[in-house]
Amino acid sequence: AQKITQTQPGMFVQEKEAVTLDCTYDTSDPSYGLFWYKQPSSGEMIFLIYQGSYDQQNATEGRYSLNFQKARKSANLVISASQLGDSAMYFCAMREGKGSQGNLIFGKGTKLSVKP
Amino acid sequence: EPEVTQTPSHQVTQMGQEVILRCVPISNHLYFYWYRQILGQKVEFLVSFYNNEISEKSEIFDDQFSVERPDGSNFTLKIRSTKLEDSAMYFCASTEVRDSLIHTDTQYFGPGTRLTVL
Repeated sequence: AQKITQTQPGMFVQEKEAVTLDCTYDTSDPSYGLFWYKQPSSGEMIFLIYQGSYDQQNATEGRYSLNFQKARKSANLVISASQLGDSAMYFCAMREGKGSQGNLIFGKGTKLSVKP
Repeated sequence: EPEVTQTPSHQVTQMGQEVILRCVPISNHLYFYWYRQILGQKVEFLVSFYNNEISEKSEIFDDQFSVERPDGSNFTLKIRSTKLEDSAMYFCASTEVRDSLIHTDTQYFGPGTRLTVL
C-alpha cells in the first residue's frame, strides 16, 4: 500500500485564487512528520511547510498553509493568492519513526499550473 | 542563507563507467541523504548517513552504490558501474540534528545532479 497518496496528477488555478492540493498518508506510527516540497521546472526541491503529528495547530508559512486532518490522515496544502511563479510540481512527503532523522517517503506529486 | 550544493549539475556517462556525485551539505548539519528521481516519477530514498556511517539504506542502494564523507565538507555518492536505469536526477539532502524525539528537522535539498547514462 502506498504511504503517501496524491490523487491529483494535475491542477489548474487562476492567478490570485486559492488552490488546495490533496495528500493522504498511511502510517501506524503515532509520531510522524509531514512535508510539502515544490519542484519548479528547473528541478530543485524547495521546502515549503512542515506539520508534526503532535502539532495542535495547522502549520502556516506565508501564503502556504497545511490543512491537517489527523483522523482522516490527510495533509492538504493550501496556496492562497496564487502567482504565476507557483506553477510547479508539488510533492507531499512523510517521515515516520526514527526521530527527526528518518528518510522521507514521497508521493507522486501534483503538477500545478497557474493561469494568468 | 546556507544551502546544500551539488556538483556537477549534469553528468553524462557511458554504461559501465563509474561516476561520483558530489554534495556539500549545510555546514552545521549532521545527517545526510541521497535520493533519486527518475524522470517523471516520484522521489525515492537511497541512503542516509550519520557519524561517518550508513544509517539506513533502501533496496535500491545495492552493491553498485557507495557513499563517503572524504573530508569535513563533502559527501559523495559513487556508482561503480552505471546502468541505463541509473539515469535520474540525484538529490543530496541534509538535516540538522537537534532533537531526536521531535520531527521538526527539515531536510534541505540540493539542486540535484542530472545523471544520463548512454
